[in-house]
Amino acid sequence: AQKVTQAQTEISVVEKEDVTLDCVYETRDTTYYLFWYKQPPSGELVFLIRRNSFDEQNEISGRYSWNFQKSTSSFNFTITASQVVDSAVYFCALSGPASGTYKYIFGTGTRLKVLA
Amino acid sequence: EAGVVQSPRYKIIEKKQPVAFWCNPISGHNTLYWYLQNLGQGPELLIRYENEEAVDDSQLPKDRFSAERLKGVDSTLKIQPAELGDSAVYLCASGQGRGTEAFFGQGTRLTVV
Repeated sequence: AQKVTQAQTEISVVEKEDVTLDCVYETRDTTYYLFWYKQPPSGELVFLIRRNSFDEQNEISGRYSWNFQKSTSSFNFTITASQVVDSAVYFCALSGPASGTYKYIFGTGTRLKVLA
Repeated sequence: EAGVVQSPRYKIIEKKQPVAFWCNPISGHNTLYWYLQNLGQGPELLIRYENEEAVDDSQLPKDRFSAERLKGVDSTLKIQPAELGDSAVYLCASGQGRGTEAFFGQGTRLTVV
């Protein structure tokens, strides 16, 4: 079975603090894809990053960085020097052939509140 | 480039009434998804199209839900009759196939009273 677990329901930080959002996944696929999406209060899911299972290089994009570790089945997301505009719900998702047709399996999301 | 467009943004209907949602995907995207998102939850797939073909509708409650994607572009999702438990956000997304990222519309928030 495929599953994504985001154990942190809600996190509150003060502006400029660093914060890491955890994502743990389960899959029997050898080839699969991992994603992070941001859902601000407006409701639209905004794509942030895609990773395939053969690429374990960490990635940095501005204040955002991602740590993919196959050994622990984790794909964690860190925001450095958080800002109020980072406040949103963040979803981790998994896609692969075991899901049937490469549909996205989403976690339950982590609500991030960045306080000024 | 225009994103995924959904309409309406909000809909309030009485139970047992029909309702329809419309989605226009990003131009050139052959894959279209309808997702359901309940409050405090992640999106869950209702149906996935590749061009005109529904390749995964296993989680679509077919007794009351139907969907179509004419000419492999726009799509419509219908509920008839609506029940109180159908109150949720209905998200449409499009993409370029397996393993690629999907781009989501702003969703339609349905309230059934």
